[in-house]
Amino acid sequence: EVQLVESGGGLVQPGRSLRLACATSGFTFDDYAMHWVRQGPGKGLEWVSGINWNSENIGYSDSVKGRFTISRDGAKNSLNLQMKSLRVEDTALYYCVKAARRLSSYYEFSAFDFWGPGTMVTVAS
Amino acid sequence: EIVLTQSPGTLSLSPGERATLSCRASQSVSNTYLAWYRQRPGQAPRLLLYGTFSRATGTPDRFSGSGSGTDFTLTISRLEPEDFALYYCQQYGSSPLTFGGGTKVEIK
Repeated sequence: EVQLVESGGGLVQPGRSLRLACATSGFTFDDYAMHWVRQGPGKGLEWVSGINWNSENIGYSDSVKGRFTISRDGAKNSLNLQMKSLRVEDTALYYCVKAARRLSSYYEFSAFDFWGPGTMVTVAS
Repeated sequence: EIVLTQSPGTLSLSPGERATLSCRASQSVSNTYLAWYRQRPGQAPRLLLYGTFSRATGTPDRFSGSGSGTDFTLTISRLEPEDFALYYCQQYGSSPLTFGGGTKVEIK
């Protein structure tokens, strides 16, 4: 059974940093692209960042480019999101998401077939 | 960036009725790269359809997708109680990947 479990969320002041992690199991982590998607309170879904299976292809939304860094650790089967210079508008539930397509050279070109329950990030003073 | 506009914002229907949800893109999307998700209250989204037409594992056949270019449709042939939820379309063929704003299907 595929499982994705996010951690690291919490309350943080504007301008500070936070690191999210996603522990995965139930599939061959090294074979799939992974993503972070967020959802602000009462709002829709926003793609944040994606990384292909071997970390050679990475992308970010314009709203987080230059502030967030996605990475993956095959030894730990984990996905990470380092968030810096946090803003009030980054407040959201952050989902760890698995791509459906195996061994793609790109983080694009695949729908998202499994989602974690999410971890809440609140940026406020 | 490809902007996806979903309509209507809210659809009020009764169980057993047919639901038709629209997703319009600001530029052409390859129908290979258009997906639909359902999100129930307090839950993470769940993949329903990918590649415009293909049902994900476990998706009932009352869900069907159609469209091409800039206009796509999700049809639910007979609404079940669990179908009253939020629905999002997504394009994943062009970065940044984008989602529509969502359509809420509510009980009339």
